[in-house]
Amino acid sequence: DTAVSQTPKYLVTQMGNDKSIKCEQNLGHDTMYWYKQDSKKFLKIMFSYNNKELIINETVPNRFSPKSPDKAHLNLHINSLELGDSAVYFCASSQDWGGGDTQYFGPGTRLTVL
Amino acid sequence: GQQLNQNPQSMFIQEGEDVSMNCTSSSIFNTWLWYKQDPGEGPVLLIALYKAGELTSNGRLTAQFGITRKDSFLNISASIPSDVGIYFCAGQLIMNRDDKIIFGKGTRLHILP
Repeated sequence: DTAVSQTPKYLVTQMGNDKSIKCEQNLGHDTMYWYKQDSKKFLKIMFSYNNKELIINETVPNRFSPKSPDKAHLNLHINSLELGDSAVYFCASSQDWGGGDTQYFGPGTRLTVL
Repeated sequence: GQQLNQNPQSMFIQEGEDVSMNCTSSSIFNTWLWYKQDPGEGPVLLIALYKAGELTSNGRLTAQFGITRKDSFLNISASIPSDVGIYFCAGQLIMNRDDKIIFGKGTRLHILP
């Protein structure tokens, strides 16, 4: 009965590799997000999708490409991984877009790039 | 999945009043984080707590890491209109091979004119 799930929980990989993180929500929400949490615990929004359409695309390297096959899924693909990509990545969802609705966060994916 | 109990879910207060909200869990954490989200923005880190019993202030905000490591409190003194938003707590445990972070569902703060 998990509301927002992410896989994998841990991801350790070499520089230059390509990897994907998957996110699924079973709440029937229309909006999903990807955040990056840095070592100082700050959360930076990366992308937001509303009904499978890209709404927010912050200044993120184009090595990061989100994909939303349906509104219950928002996957994050990262090409040519760099050391600075190491962080915890959170997926979240909310009923609607605009920040007025509570966001439900996933458990996070800890990415370590060696 | 496991959730933190964040209370209250919603608050309506008068400008100038003090605000108190809390998060509780059946699990222990070694880090507590408090974030605030404004409409259309991502959550912004307000206070990070790393030690049981720790009391930390950030302007009019004060947060405490509960001595049992299962709870945390956030207080806002003399509220002003820009305090409106959703406040999230997050508990994090990094210990040996265990690494988890769990977010509360948020406390929505409304300030009445």
